Amino acid sequence: QQQVKQSPQSLIVQKGGISIINCAYENTAFDYFPWYQQFPGKGPALLIAIRPDVSEKKEGRFTISFNKSAKQFSLHIMDSQPGDSATYFCAPYRGSGNTGKLIFGQGTTLQVKP
Amino acid sequence: EAQVTQNPRYLITVTGKKLTVTCSQNMNHEYMSWYRQDPGLGLRQIYYSMNVEVTDKGDVPEGYKVSRKEKRNFPLILESPSPNQTSLYFCASSPALEGEQYFGPGTRLTVT
Repeated sequence: QQQVKQSPQSLIVQKGGISIINCAYENTAFDYFPWYQQFPGKGPALLIAIRPDVSEKKEGRFTISFNKSAKQFSLHIMDSQPGDSATYFCAPYRGSGNTGKLIFGQGTTLQVKP
Repeated sequence: EAQVTQNPRYLITVTGKKLTVTCSQNMNHEYMSWYRQDPGLGLRQIYYSMNVEVTDKGDVPEGYKVSRKEKRNFPLILESPSPNQTSLYFCASSPALEGEQYFGPGTRLTVT
């Protein structure tokens, strides 16, 4: 079974600080690396995603860093805000030739203190 | 509005009483999937469907059934619910396997 390991499980950051969440995977055939954000009482929603042809992608305060040799990718939230308090999931997968199975990380609960 | 809807949103039932959770999407997506979310375990895939009449097992299919008779609907059936199926369930769809998954609002199921 393909393994996806997310860390840390929970994270508390002060407002204005940097939040970093990591996702390690085993399957070298993965070619799409998304992060989903879930607010309490809501379904997850795509936050940002990267393909392996680039090592970094930035959208506003959110950045994905991708390390192909280490088989891991990270989500960085700069200038963290209380509104970023949510659960974050990584869900890497192989697009072409995939049978349809998707695996999500265990989730990271982020709390940003005002 | 493009969306994935689930019904009911909350359900309390007893062991063994068959139930169905409906899922519908209005985006003409081919791929649909069901997940359960439990603390510390993240989202685990139950079943998925690549298209009409094509369904397959995810990682935790035991105790669940699905059907895909129409493109827009993908109901989740629990023929004999047990307390270990108490969980938060999400339906999701995407235009193809590559790309963003669109999630429904969730169904919180309690089996006593």
